[in-house]
Amino acid sequence: KAGVTQTPRYLIKTRGQQVTLSCSPISGHRSVSWYQQTPGQGLQFLFEYFSETQRNKGNFPGRFSGRQFSNSRSEMNVSTLELGDSALYLCASSFRGGRTDTQYFGPGTRLTVL
Amino acid sequence: QKEVEQNSGPLSVPEGAIASLNCTYSDRGSQSFFWYRQYSGKSPELIMFIYSNGDKEDGRFTAQLNKASQYVSLLIRDSQPSDSATYLCAALSNSGYALNFGKGTSLLVTP
Repeated sequence: KAGVTQTPRYLIKTRGQQVTLSCSPISGHRSVSWYQQTPGQGLQFLFEYFSETQRNKGNFPGRFSGRQFSNSRSEMNVSTLELGDSALYLCASSFRGGRTDTQYFGPGTRLTVL
Repeated sequence: QKEVEQNSGPLSVPEGAIASLNCTYSDRGSQSFFWYRQYSGKSPELIMFIYSNGDKEDGRFTAQLNKASQYVSLLIRDSQPSDSATYLCAALSNSGYALNFGKGTSLLVTP
């Protein structure tokens, strides 16, 4: 079974631009979560989607948004990029989310903001 | 802020020894706990999960959970140089959808 895929793998943007990242979950998985990883803050939860609905959101500004499509694929968007948005963005999928479910991570998208 | 705390290390152990990694969490509502391994430049890879108090063994790995003490640990027996990585402890939020991660413990297994 194919794993979680993320595109693109690397991105370089400049301040003020916007960016869209894509995630395709493991086949059959309907829950998709997004995380930001930086050296200083570690892994931080952004948001989680299930059946095209956002069920939970982390403590990030409104510049960070996401959506999920009917095929469970998900995108996240960051508008008005700031230098501090440079990070590894990780997508994780699970069957339904929840206490007995496990999240599997994709390879990540490395975003550099200049 | 629901926190998960880990010693950043590095923890250095000789090949063949037992590596002990520890984690504490602040959210008493957390019910599920996960250990991920992350090699440099790679994404986190699931090692084990544990929901119940006590020990859970999987090959060379044993996870231990003590909910009263809000403490989770991971033991790696017969450590190998290939186990050298950062180990991330995560607690599933009470909502059941968000993983709260510690900042990870760097493990170095020396030949």
